[in-house]
Amino acid sequence: GENVEQHPSTLSVQEGDSAVIKCTYSDSASNYFPWYKQELGKRPQLIIDIRSNVGEKKDQRIAVTLNKTAKHFSLHITETQPEDSAVYFCAASISSDYKLSFGAGTTVTVRA
Amino acid sequence: DADVTQTPRNRITKTGKRIMLECSQTKGHDRMYWYRQDPGLGLRLIYYSFDVKDINKGEISDGYSVSRQAQAKFSLSLESAIPNQTALYFCATSDPEGGDEQFFGPGTRLTVL
Repeated sequence: GENVEQHPSTLSVQEGDSAVIKCTYSDSASNYFPWYKQELGKRPQLIIDIRSNVGEKKDQRIAVTLNKTAKHFSLHITETQPEDSAVYFCAASISSDYKLSFGAGTTVTVRA
Repeated sequence: DADVTQTPRNRITKTGKRIMLECSQTKGHDRMYWYRQDPGLGLRLIYYSFDVKDINKGEISDGYSVSRQAQAKFSLSLESAIPNQTALYFCATSDPEGGDEQFFGPGTRLTVL
């Protein structure tokens, strides 16, 4: 099955700086790559996703890049704010399977 | 608003007890999932269902069973709970007509003593 590795496991950044989280996947058939954000005590929620026919996608301060050849994708958060503090999960799936394989998560702390 | 709900939200039980976690949704989605979350391990898929009476094993199904008797409900059972099943359990739904996004319930924190 699909194996998703996520790094780093924890990330501390100064408010206003950028944060980058990287994930690798094993199954070259995977074609859907979402990112979920989980605030403390809350449920995971989708923040952005990308499909394999696109190399980059941006939504305000967050962006995701995908390198299909290297089988890795990254989440970029610019101008970080305190409300960006959360656990972020990457995931991968073969869209027709409708199952997600998640990374282990990255705890992001934004220091004021 | 259409939502995914889970009951109970917290449960403490003893080793060997049978326990059921319930998931209900008003989103009208066909696909439902059960995950467990452990620190440092992310979210791991236990079981999933794409329709009533359709049941599929995920990556960590041993020690668990599920039931999908109605489109809106998906129940997870631990037949004989053990301490290493202590975890945060999430139910999720998705609708292929709306894309691949999964919508999570609020979670059930289960402690097995």
